[in-house]
Amino acid sequence: SQTIHQWPATLVQPVGSPLSLECTVEGTSNPNLYWYRQAAGRGLQLLFYSVGIGQISSEVPQNLSASRPQDRQFILSSKKLLLSDSGFYLCAWSVQGDLYTIYFGEGSWLTVV
Amino acid sequence: DQQVKQNSPSLSVQEGRISILNCDYTNSMFDYFLWYKKYPAEGPTFLISISSIKDKNEDGRFTVFLNKSAKHLSLHIVPSQPGDSAVYFCAATLAFAGGTSYGKLTFGQGTILTVHP
Repeated sequence: SQTIHQWPATLVQPVGSPLSLECTVEGTSNPNLYWYRQAAGRGLQLLFYSVGIGQISSEVPQNLSASRPQDRQFILSSKKLLLSDSGFYLCAWSVQGDLYTIYFGEGSWLTVV
Repeated sequence: DQQVKQNSPSLSVQEGRISILNCDYTNSMFDYFLWYKKYPAEGPTFLISISSIKDKNEDGRFTVFLNKSAKHLSLHIVPSQPGDSAVYFCAATLAFAGGTSYGKLTFGQGTILTVHP
């Protein structure tokens, strides 16, 4: 069966520090991969999606970037965190050909102080 | 601009009764809708979906209704159980509009459902 893992689960970082959240999917090949964020009082917002290695699309302009160095690995990064980057970040995947039923990881709580 | 809205932040229901969770959307191009359930400290899990060619889809205790003219969908849970207590998100996307939308789900803010024993 397929599983998705993301880490760290919680993170407290000072303003201006770098960020790296990592996500891996097991049990499937060539998945679509996504990073979502839920900020307080808002729904889940798509940040990035990837349909293959090295292929990243950004949905919103922001202080973050994403990379897909391997087929089942997705990384969310920032060089300098802002207070507004605080939130709940979720990695997700979907099967190629099924673009609408996506499966989420456990999420990572980021607090920028 | 919030294209998908869940106007009730919370809902409290007695065990055994019906829970009705509502969702409104503004983009008439949306043609595929999903409900996700989220427990604390976990990622959301897919619950049920409906395409715009239908007005109802059932899966066990869960039924989703779609009213395209009103741009409104609802999730009915009958009978409600304490284990259903969670945050429920509705989501919408352009599934059949041509091209691919790559999981570009637009989510509502979520509704916290509490089912009391």
